[in-house]
Amino acid sequence: GENVEQHPSTLSVQEGDSAVIKCTYSDSASNYFPWYKQELGKRPQLIIDIRSNVGEKKDQRIAVTLNKTAKHFSLHITETQPEDSAVYFCAVLEGNTGKLIFGQGTTLQVKP
Amino acid sequence: DTEVTQTPKHLVMGMTNKKSLKCEQHMGHRAMYWYKQKAKKPPELMFVYSYEKLSINESVPSRFSPECPNSSLLNLHLHALQPEDSALYLCASSRSGGGANYGYTFGSGTRLTVV
Repeated sequence: GENVEQHPSTLSVQEGDSAVIKCTYSDSASNYFPWYKQELGKRPQLIIDIRSNVGEKKDQRIAVTLNKTAKHFSLHITETQPEDSAVYFCAVLEGNTGKLIFGQGTTLQVKP
Repeated sequence: DTEVTQTPKHLVMGMTNKKSLKCEQHMGHRAMYWYKQKAKKPPELMFVYSYEKLSINESVPSRFSPECPNSSLLNLHLHALQPEDSALYLCASSRSGGGANYGYTFGSGTRLTVV
């Protein structure tokens, strides 16, 4: 089955700096890669996703890049703000089973 | 309606109790999922229903029993749980188990505490 690794496990940045979180996956047939933000006590919220026919996608301060050859994808947050502080999970949709396999999560702290 | 609704939001139950968690969506999604999430860990898949049929059971103990009465509803029946089963239980739905458009959406979860 699919295996997803996420790094780093914790990330601390100053407000206004950029943050990058990386994930690798194992199954070359996987073709959907969402990123979730989870605040304490709340549900995972989809913040951006990318499909295998696209290399990069941007939404305001958030971008995701995908390298299918190397089987990795990254979340980029620019001009970070304290409200960006949360746990971020990458995920990979495993083939046609519908199983969403999550990375272990990155705790992002943005210091004012 | 683009929501997945879960009830109750919080549940405290004893180890001899029987309770049920409920999940509802009206987005026409034909795949529904139960996930379990412990603190500071990623969600772990428990069950997948596709077109109201159980398609995946991730070796979940029988004290958890899923049920899909129709395409909009998903239940999780709980019986004889252990304290280590305390967690956030998340329901999710998507258009199908595969394909180009998934619309994977999570409910707000039920915070379960077993005492």
